[in-house]
Amino acid sequence: SQTIHQWPATLVQPVGSPLSLECTVEGTSNPNLYWYRQAAGRGLQLLFYSVGIGQISSEVPQNLSASRPQDRQFILSSKKLLLSDSGFYLCAWSGKSRGNQPQHFGDGTRLSIL
Amino acid sequence: QQQVKQSPQSLIVQKGGISIINCAYENTAFDYFPWYQQFPGKGPALLIAIRPDVSEKKEGRFTISFNKSAKQFSLHIMDSQPGDSATYFCAASMSSGGSYIPTFGRGTSLIVHP
Repeated sequence: SQTIHQWPATLVQPVGSPLSLECTVEGTSNPNLYWYRQAAGRGLQLLFYSVGIGQISSEVPQNLSASRPQDRQFILSSKKLLLSDSGFYLCAWSGKSRGNQPQHFGDGTRLSIL
Repeated sequence: QQQVKQSPQSLIVQKGGISIINCAYENTAFDYFPWYQQFPGKGPALLIAIRPDVSEKKEGRFTISFNKSAKQFSLHIMDSQPGDSATYFCAASMSSGGSYIPTFGRGTSLIVHP
């Protein structure tokens, strides 16, 4: 069966520090990959998505970047964190076969910026 | 802009009651309508989904009703239980045009009192 792993589960970082969040998927190949941010009590904001290795689309211009160095690995990065980067970061994957597929989410990373 | 409007924002129901969450969409090209359930500190998980060729889909206590002409769909939770307390998101996506990006509603926080 397919699984998705995100780490770390929680992270506390000072303003101006770098960031690297990692997401890996197992049990499937060539998935679509997504990074979302969820503010407290709010909806899901799509940050980046990828349909293949090295292919990244950004939905919201901001202080973050994403990379997909391997088929089932998706990394969210920042060179200098801002207070506004605090939130709950979710990685998700979906398949490509036969039209629309549901998204499968990881358990997220709670990021607090001090 | 593609939107999915979800209501209510919050809902309180007594144990055994019926919970109803509504969503409305604008883009008639949407052809896949999933609902996700999210518990605190976890990622959303697919609950149930429907395609527009049917008007209703039932899985256990959860039912999606779909009204294509009104461009509305709703989630009904029968015999609501305290364990159903969570945030629910509706979503819509289309298979044409190569878009892999679902549009999410803003979420409904459901509390079921024992």
